[in-house]
Amino acid sequence: KAGVTQTPRYLIKTRGQQVTLSCSPISGHRSVSWYQQTPGQGLQFLFEYFSETQRNKGNFPGRFSGRQFSNSRSEMNVSTLELGDSALYLCASSITTDTEAFFGQGTRLTVV
Amino acid sequence: GENVEQHPSTLSVQEGDSAVIKCTYSDSASNYFPWYKQELGKRPQLIIDIRSNVGEKKDQRIAVTLNKTAKHFSLHITETQPEDSAVYFCAASTEQAGTALIFGKGTTLSVSS
Repeated sequence: KAGVTQTPRYLIKTRGQQVTLSCSPISGHRSVSWYQQTPGQGLQFLFEYFSETQRNKGNFPGRFSGRQFSNSRSEMNVSTLELGDSALYLCASSITTDTEAFFGQGTRLTVV
Repeated sequence: GENVEQHPSTLSVQEGDSAVIKCTYSDSASNYFPWYKQELGKRPQLIIDIRSNVGEKKDQRIAVTLNKTAKHFSLHITETQPEDSAVYFCAASTEQAGTALIFGKGTTLSVSS
């Protein structure tokens, strides 16, 4: 069974640009959540989707947005990138909203 | 919203010793408490979890205890081995929050042989 797949694995962007990250959940998983991981702040919750609906949102500015498609794949978008957005972005999927969350390998975003 | 505090931030033990990591949470509605292990350069992986209707859960050398009254939960690793060296994260969520996990800042465990 394939795990959670995130693309791309690495990304370098310039300040002010926008970026889109993709997450393909484990087959049959309908819940996808996104996290930002930095050395200083640890793992911070961004948002959670279930059946194409955003159920929960973390404390991040409106520049961070996401969506989920009918096949459960999810994307997150960050507009007007800032240097502080440099981080590892992880997504996790689960069968429903209260079962074990499996993480992808992450996308390492560097903003220069 | 929920806030999870985790202590200590670093922990060094000798092989064979026990290690204990403690977390406290703020939202009394939280009812699901997973622990994740993240090795360097790898993804976080669930090692054990506990729900609020249970006070303790054990899986071989790993155990988790939960005190809902005090709003704290702990990870216990016995007979530590060098391969236990990693960063450990505790987390909490509510039924309403589903997989919206609020994580502690992590504990770097080093096991020396």
